Amino acid sequence: EVQLVESGGGLVQPGGSLRLSCAASGFTVSSNYMSWVRQAPGKGLEWVSVIYSGGSTYYADSVKGRFTISRHNSKNTLYLQMNSLRAEDTAVYYCVRDGYNVGYFDYWGQGTLVTVSS
Amino acid sequence: EIVLTQSPATLSLSPGERATLSCRASQSVSSYLAWYQQKPGQAPRLLIYDASNRATGIPARFSGSGSGTDFTLTISSLEPEDFAVYYCQQRSNWPPLTFGQGTRLEIK
Repeated sequence: EVQLVESGGGLVQPGGSLRLSCAASGFTVSSNYMSWVRQAPGKGLEWVSVIYSGGSTYYADSVKGRFTISRHNSKNTLYLQMNSLRAEDTAVYYCVRDGYNVGYFDYWGQGTLVTVSS
Repeated sequence: EIVLTQSPATLSLSPGERATLSCRASQSVSSYLAWYQQKPGQAPRLLIYDASNRATGIPARFSGSGSGTDFTLTISSLEPEDFAVYYCQQRSNWPPLTFGQGTRLEIK
């Protein structure tokens, strides 16, 4: 059974950093495109970043230069390093699997809340 | 960046009725469009991909159609568990992937 379990969210001050983790089971993270998608409170969905199975990474303009996506193959875990956090980064962050490796998300984690506030 | 516009913002219907939700793209996305359902407090769930293909385990009452810039999600006969927010998403020209702003389907 495919499972994605995020951790690492919490309250952080503007300008601070946070690292999110996503522990995967039931499949191999390095075999699929993996993304982070966020949802601000009461708002819609926003794609944040992707790491391809081959290792290439891409980011939304809103986080480019501040966030870094990575994976640890032996731990089967996905990460999102978030630096220079802003109030507008406040959201639930979902770890998502692209089981088709084309840009559709077939499995989602439960989400972890990141709150950026002083 | 491709912008997806969903309509209506809110749709009020009764169980048993037919629901028709729309998604319009700012430029052609061919058939590279998906639909997701999100219930309160839950993560989204993939319903439809490539405009008309049901994802694994999705009931047959959900169907998708369209190509180019205009797409439709149809729920043939609403069940109580179908009342939720629905999002469309394109993968035609990415990154970035983009989502529509959502349609809230509420009980009338």
